[in-house]
Amino acid sequence: DIQLTQSPSSLSASVGDRVTITCRASQSISRYLNWYQQKPGKAPKLLIYAASSLQSGVPSRFSGSGSGTDFTLTISSLEREDFATYYCQQSYSTPMYTFGQGTKLEIK
Amino acid sequence: QVQLVESGGGVVQPGRSLRLSCAASGFIFSSYGMHWVRQAPGKGLEWVAVIWDDGSKKYYADSVKGRFTISRDNSKNTLYLQMNSLRAEDTAVYYCARETTVIAQFFFDSWGQGTLVTVSS
Repeated sequence: DIQLTQSPSSLSASVGDRVTITCRASQSISRYLNWYQQKPGKAPKLLIYAASSLQSGVPSRFSGSGSGTDFTLTISSLEREDFATYYCQQSYSTPMYTFGQGTKLEIK
Repeated sequence: QVQLVESGGGVVQPGRSLRLSCAASGFIFSSYGMHWVRQAPGKGLEWVAVIWDDGSKKYYADSVKGRFTISRDNSKNTLYLQMNSLRAEDTAVYYCARETTVIAQFFFDSWGQGTLVTVSS
């Protein structure tokens, strides 16, 4: 089974900061990596698919990069509504798409 | 607009059964693979099961294999999750999610609001 490890598990940042979250896969998954945002009490929301493709309607301050085993989600300038938990997901091992453990982004 | 609405959650005793439903609207349900994903209180997301668009193939996480059954009725635009032999560790919010494919990339672009299942005596 493919394992995804996110780092850090939690992160404190301020509005306007640039933030990077990392997701590492236990084996190469090419670019089969998605990112989701989840706010408390809400369903996850797709941000990025195929490692770097921005989902329609998602602000351009979100970007993704990487391939193989190492991936990053970057928020270029944090806004208040970005404070949430972020999950990576692999879609290489189709159709059983596992998730990382999550990164909680909190206000400093 | 795409809408997924789960129902059927509640409190159930260990060892008992429960069936969740996910009503879909706003898209051609029979053209999409569908998944169940769960989230235990305060924990991360756990993929549970998937069913092909035509219902021909089904796959399960090891943690639910042999106890849960995913199914769908394309005439009713509804996805189901039959959960048997429930355990305390099955306590979670259960989400249905639509799988979309773009140039051989797969992702969940629509999710329901979730339904809470609590397994407790």
